[in-house]
Amino acid sequence: GNSVTQMEGPVTLSEEAFLTINCTYTATGYPSLFWYVQYPGEGLQLLLKATKADDKGSNKGFEATYRKETTSFHLEKGSVQVSDSAVYFCALSDVPGAGSYQLTFGKGTKLSVIP
Amino acid sequence: EAGVAQSPRYKIIEKRQSVAFWCNPISGHATLYWYQQILGQGPKLLIQFQNNGVVDDSQLPKDRFSAERLKGVDSTLKIQPAKLEDSAVYLCASSPGKETQYFGPGTRLLVL
Repeated sequence: GNSVTQMEGPVTLSEEAFLTINCTYTATGYPSLFWYVQYPGEGLQLLLKATKADDKGSNKGFEATYRKETTSFHLEKGSVQVSDSAVYFCALSDVPGAGSYQLTFGKGTKLSVIP
Repeated sequence: EAGVAQSPRYKIIEKRQSVAFWCNPISGHATLYWYQQILGQGPKLLIQFQNNGVVDDSQLPKDRFSAERLKGVDSTLKIQPAKLEDSAVYLCASSPGKETQYFGPGTRLLVL
């Protein structure tokens, strides 16, 4: 079955540091890949996505490239801010035989950015 | 455009009691999902609706959980009777039918 593995957290960085959160996946077929962010006390918000190999998703300074050869979708940001403190989830969406889209999530990585 | 609405936001009950959660998806979204998110884990799909029909409920503990989506719009998720391990955040998401899902703020359930 499908699975997503994220780097363990928590991750603590100083403001303006470079961020990488690793994500690898196992899937049959050709999944779409996502990063969702969850701020304290809130639901998940879509951060970025990529739907095919070599696509780069980007939003709010974050970016991730769909690497089919390494089955990875690592999240990066060049300079983090305190406001980026949140839990980040990597996910994949595949189309099972029923013809519907379902998300499989990683366990999440908590990021704390200190001034 | 209004987002996915959920209520209540918080609920505390004792084990063996029953509880219900409500979700109103984004207008026009045919697909609705309920997820369970246990502390420290990623969301796990419980049930998926397409309009008012069930697409997948294979991970729904049907001995105690039930869900419905009347008229293909709002949905309710019920737990009866609740167990301690049901303490979690219950997330509702909707989709226009493609891979991107839009999530509500969730209902945080604590079972004592």
